[in-house]
Amino acid sequence: RKEVEQDPGPFNVPEGATVAFNCTYSNSASQSFFWYRQDCRKEPKLLMSVYSSGNEDGRFTAQLNRASQYISLLIRDSKLSDSATYLCVVTTPTGRRALTFGSGTRLQVQP
Amino acid sequence: NAGVTQTPKFRVLKTGQSMTLLCAQDMNHEYMYWYRQDPGMGLRLIHYSVGEGTTAKGEVPDGYNVSRLKKQNFLLGLESAAPSQTSVYFCASSQSRDRGDTQYFGPGTRLTVL
Repeated sequence: RKEVEQDPGPFNVPEGATVAFNCTYSNSASQSFFWYRQDCRKEPKLLMSVYSSGNEDGRFTAQLNRASQYISLLIRDSKLSDSATYLCVVTTPTGRRALTFGSGTRLQVQP
Repeated sequence: NAGVTQTPKFRVLKTGQSMTLLCAQDMNHEYMYWYRQDPGMGLRLIHYSVGEGTTAKGEVPDGYNVSRLKKQNFLLGLESAAPSQTSVYFCASSQSRDRGDTQYFGPGTRLTVL
């Protein structure tokens, strides 16, 4: 079983739509949670951290459910520029401070 | 600041050849990492370093070696390349020792082993 699992998609949505992605993680000791965005053939970039209380950044809302071990990302009013792959990322309490990545969910926003 | 840079951007090797990938960061970060990304697999950690002169194995270290002789540089070596090492390689760095610190990625090196 993968440590971090995501639906690969693609999610094809029209501009202005609301879309949600979920991700599950297997290690209950995971400590930190993130969503990264990766454009085609580019490096991953941090989109937002995910906090237990939930957090919002403009059109993006992230939620964490520790009991069920899943993380969600909600995008409202989708823009063409939101088209990308969204990577769910967790850290676990080891000394290396490395990230464990899901394989990503691809979003295609259509005009 | 250039952030994290990687050289080369592309490379084609024949099986058995060797090469070194260079990662450089100008943010004075302590931690540096090498990941590989394969289709459908997500990024996987190869090796990492928690400071100058230190290296450690990650999730998929076999077939790779690393060195961190200077704080700003992290080198990834392939001694005898194999087709299974065809991948996109990303270097990353981070500063804080606190969990959850942001990692900054380089633009990647696309390696093909024939």
